[in-house]
Amino acid sequence: EPEVTQTPSHQVTQMGQEVILRCVPISNHLYFYWYRQILGQKVEFLVSFYNNEISEKSEIFDDQFSVERPDGSNFTLKIRSTKLEDSAMYFCASSPDRADYTEAFFGQGTRLTVV
Amino acid sequence: SQKIEQNSEALNIQEGKTATLTCNYTNYSPAYLQWYRQDPGRGPVFLLLIRENEKEKRKERLKVTFDTTLKQSLFHITASQPADSATYLCALGGHASGGSYIPTFGRGTSLIVHP
Repeated sequence: EPEVTQTPSHQVTQMGQEVILRCVPISNHLYFYWYRQILGQKVEFLVSFYNNEISEKSEIFDDQFSVERPDGSNFTLKIRSTKLEDSAMYFCASSPDRADYTEAFFGQGTRLTVV
Repeated sequence: SQKIEQNSEALNIQEGKTATLTCNYTNYSPAYLQWYRQDPGRGPVFLLLIRENEKEKRKERLKVTFDTTLKQSLFHITASQPADSATYLCALGGHASGGSYIPTFGRGTSLIVHP
């Protein structure tokens, strides 16, 4: 069964460092998303990506964040200068159509720890 | 601002009984509602989607109702099994024409099914 894969599963980084979280969405999907979940809290939307550009972003997704689809398969989230409060589980998701029509398939997440 | 409320207390039930989880929302008129299952340390897994013009949806042992007057969705698992133990998340999204269709998640309710 096709699945969304994320690497690495766990990343530890020093405060102020840049991190890149990687995702391989399901191959025929058109919509891509990043969410985060701080420990014990709810899943929060960061950004959606369609047709090679950002279609929506939340207030959390400030200038420190960027997304890219560098080739036909990878989808990355970059955090330029990490802060302690960026520590969270980051989930990538993809869907074949818009979220109001169909389900989103989530990856297993990357646990980011900023020290 | 919009609010999505799910019971923060865990629901404990005996195997074989029906589990009923509640999702209430305020200051919002969602176009659709989704339910996801999340196991510890893993990404959400989609279960069901129901639209504003639908009252009820079923899938195997799962049933979802959507009451836009009460601003509430109920999620039922019949003949529950210990393997159903997980956190269940509801997510609501708006009309694409009126703004964001991206689903906003509630905090989830933990279900524990005892053998």
